[in-house]
Amino acid sequence: ETGVTQSPTHLIKTRGQQVTLRCSSQSGHNTVSWYQQALGQGPQFIFQYYREEENGRGNFPPRFSGLQFPNYSSELNVNALELDDSALYLCASTRRGGNTEAFFGQGTRLTVV
Amino acid sequence: AQTVTQSQPEMSVQEAETVTLSCTYDTSENNYYLFWYKQPPSRQMILVIRQEAYKQQNATENRFSVNFQKAAKSFSLKISDSQLGDTAMYFCAFMFFGNEKLTFGTGTRLTIIP
Repeated sequence: ETGVTQSPTHLIKTRGQQVTLRCSSQSGHNTVSWYQQALGQGPQFIFQYYREEENGRGNFPPRFSGLQFPNYSSELNVNALELDDSALYLCASTRRGGNTEAFFGQGTRLTVV
Repeated sequence: AQTVTQSQPEMSVQEAETVTLSCTYDTSENNYYLFWYKQPPSRQMILVIRQEAYKQQNATENRFSVNFQKAAKSFSLKISDSQLGDTAMYFCAFMFFGNEKLTFGTGTRLTIIP
């Protein structure tokens, strides 16, 4: 297993609510990326954080936002949840300038009802 | 924008046999990495093998090897002597140099039959 941990592992929310997902990065890693994986699909890039700032964003609306903390851990926040937000959310940590290997957490399964 | 295509949604093979998973990609850049990731039922993405585009030699990791054809933009994964533990979803992925963003294909569900 990697040193990347995500919490919670499962979550059920109601449409319109807000959710916060958390990720701790691998020791020595300074970059965290978030991905959304819908059922039966490959992961889609949401955004990336480096030095506590957003550093690249995929095709996701502004209600998807994030934070990175001084210890490089990160949060993904989703406002005004929609049914289509139901997915597995994966966090990956890397070291900028390193060997590019991304270490993934086990993901958070979000169900919006 | 780069795209990654995996044309085999599902594959199955007998234990101990060899299987090849296909992947094609599209990019106008020259400097990039290609990866194969494994996602077992535990959901955690595990790196299987990595290829730097500037290297002509195909990467190998024990039973896993790739056939990287840069001109054809093809990147297939060969698993030799397949084992039951190889049963998983396999994703092909692309990354530009200096950018940790991964672009994934839609995956191939591989089942190893005892």
